[in-house]
Amino acid sequence: RKEVEQDPGPFNVPEGATVAFNCTYSNSASQSFFWYRQDCRKEPKLLMSVYSSGNEDGRFTAQLNRASQYISLLIRDSKLSDSATYLCAVNGGGADGLTFGKGTHLIIQP
Amino acid sequence: GAVVSQHPSWVICKSGTSVKIECRSLDFQATTMFWYRQFPKQSLMLMATSNEGSKATYEQGVEKDKFLINHASLTLSTLTVTSAHPEDSSFYICSAREGYGYTFGSGTRLTVV
Repeated sequence: RKEVEQDPGPFNVPEGATVAFNCTYSNSASQSFFWYRQDCRKEPKLLMSVYSSGNEDGRFTAQLNRASQYISLLIRDSKLSDSATYLCAVNGGGADGLTFGKGTHLIIQP
Repeated sequence: GAVVSQHPSWVICKSGTSVKIECRSLDFQATTMFWYRQFPKQSLMLMATSNEGSKATYEQGVEKDKFLINHASLTLSTLTVTSAHPEDSSFYICSAREGYGYTFGSGTRLTVV
């Protein structure tokens, strides 16, 4: 079983719509969770850290469900500029690096 | 915010030659840096963890003699791909942990011909 799984998409969504992605992780000892955005042929950029209580940053909301071992990302009022690949990343704790999912490709259509 | 500078951005080399990639933390000290590799349409895969002043820790399946890592100072880590082959062509990205988060370099696209 893969450590971090995401639906690769693509998700084709009209501008202004709300879209949600989920990501599941297999390591129950995981401690830190993140959503990154990656544009084509670029490095990933941090979108949000994901906290146990859930957190919101403008149009973006992230949730963590430890019992079911998944994290989610909700994008409201989507913009054309939101088109990108969204990577879920998990850290096992301590000084570990991140384990990434393959990413979910989002295409916002005008 | 924290900045990690990575060079070169892209490199084309001949099969059998070696390529060195540098990563510098510009405004903070990074005792630990991480090196990732990303093949097309794949996820970023952690290759190794670079620790300042000590040997790097490699992930399973990553050849330590092929991917040489040096972390001689708190602001610089290097990855050398030795005797590169076409199958080593990939996107290599470094990352440093600063506080709670991780900062990534801009990546190096390596093409071996």
